[in-house]
Amino acid sequence: EPEVTQTPSHQVTQMGQEVILRCVPISNHLYFYWYRQILGQKVEFLVSFYNNEISEKSEIFDDQFSVERPDGSNFTLKIRSTKLEDSAMYFCASSKTGTGSFSPLHFGNGTRLTVT
Amino acid sequence: TQLLEQSPQFLSIQEGENLTVYCNSSSVFSSLQWYRQEPGEGPVLLVTVVTGGEVKKLKRLTFQFGDARKDSSLHITAAQPGDTGLYLCAGWGNAGKSTFGDGTTLTVKP
Repeated sequence: EPEVTQTPSHQVTQMGQEVILRCVPISNHLYFYWYRQILGQKVEFLVSFYNNEISEKSEIFDDQFSVERPDGSNFTLKIRSTKLEDSAMYFCASSKTGTGSFSPLHFGNGTRLTVT
Repeated sequence: TQLLEQSPQFLSIQEGENLTVYCNSSSVFSSLQWYRQEPGEGPVLLVTVVTGGEVKKLKRLTFQFGDARKDSSLHITAAQPGDTGLYLCAGWGNAGKSTFGDGTTLTVKP
């Protein structure tokens, strides 16, 4: 069964550095998402992406964050200048349609980002 | 901002017992999904409910969507140790943005 893959599985970076988290969504999916889960806390929506542009974003997704689909397969999340509070598990997800009603989210296994 | 409250936050029961997890909101959702998450992995979809009052069954798991589409419940009959995990509800609004509940950590002891 096709799956969403994320790399790296664990990223350690120093405060103030830029990081890029990478995701390969399922090939026939059209909607892409990033979520964040701080250790022991809830899964939080960051951003959804469709047709090469952001369709929705949360208040967490500020100017430090950006997303890109640089080619036909990859979907990236960039954090420009990391802060300690950015430490979390970041999940990429994809779906065929965008409403969630009939098209489930398929999640990757996440990238654990540790900012020191 | 749409909020989803899940209860209980933690649940520890013996094998064979029944349990119910609740997901409540003051907002109306176009659909609601239940996920299960294992440590170190992403959430995996269990079910999607769309219609108010809808009931779906998945083996020993029964999911219900409230008539007003503001709340949902997950009932597990005769829980087994393999049911142990984090259960998450997620509501979808019309804008295509999802909101996750805080999660319920279930431990089923043999």
